[in-house]
Amino acid sequence: EADIYQTPRYLVIGTGKKITLECSQTMGHDKMYWYQQDPGMELHLIHYSYGVNSTEKGDLSSESTVSRIRTEHFPLTLESARPSHTSQYLCASSDRVHEAFFGQGTRLTVV
Amino acid sequence: GNSVTQMEGPVTLSEEAFLTINCTYTATGYPSLFWYVQYPGEGLQLLLKATKADDKGSNKGFEATYRKETTSFHLEKGSVQVSDSAVYFCGIIIQGAQKLVFGQGTRLTINP
Repeated sequence: EADIYQTPRYLVIGTGKKITLECSQTMGHDKMYWYQQDPGMELHLIHYSYGVNSTEKGDLSSESTVSRIRTEHFPLTLESARPSHTSQYLCASSDRVHEAFFGQGTRLTVV
Repeated sequence: GNSVTQMEGPVTLSEEAFLTINCTYTATGYPSLFWYVQYPGEGLQLLLKATKADDKGSNKGFEATYRKETTSFHLEKGSVQVSDSAVYFCGIIIQGAQKLVFGQGTRLTINP
């Protein structure tokens, strides 16, 4: 059973609000990822980290930011939410070539 | 670069039909290969994996064989059930690389 958790599961928020999506894992994995999943299903990597104090932008440009102050925690922040940010956000972690573990996702709706 | 190409969906089959979802990859190193499944409203769950050439991953009646010569990892199941309806993602992780790479996903619907 995967030990990676995302909160909240669902969030409806007004335009212009600041939001933080939480992701925590208890497996001690160095690598963590944030994916944005569009309605067409495809996963777009928006951020990743290979350890504490290291973060990189992914393949899809995103207005969100991330931080990695602790190994187990990889929050994603939107300073000013817009309707175009409406999507499902998936967090994952992995250890070298082992499998990746995914959280259940946060479905964000910006109205 | 590293990339994964999956069979285009959606795929619709009748219960008990044979399933194949094609997956091919390009990789600069020696990848580990995965199939993940996503049920409605959920995150991705590992379905099966293979870490070296000719390995066969299997789980819940699904199988896939790591074919290095054809750079493929096709997913198969002999007799699908309605409960197999989901989105399936093929993925690779390159040893030493920082990212895991997924295909675009294939939506599978099984009708009773």
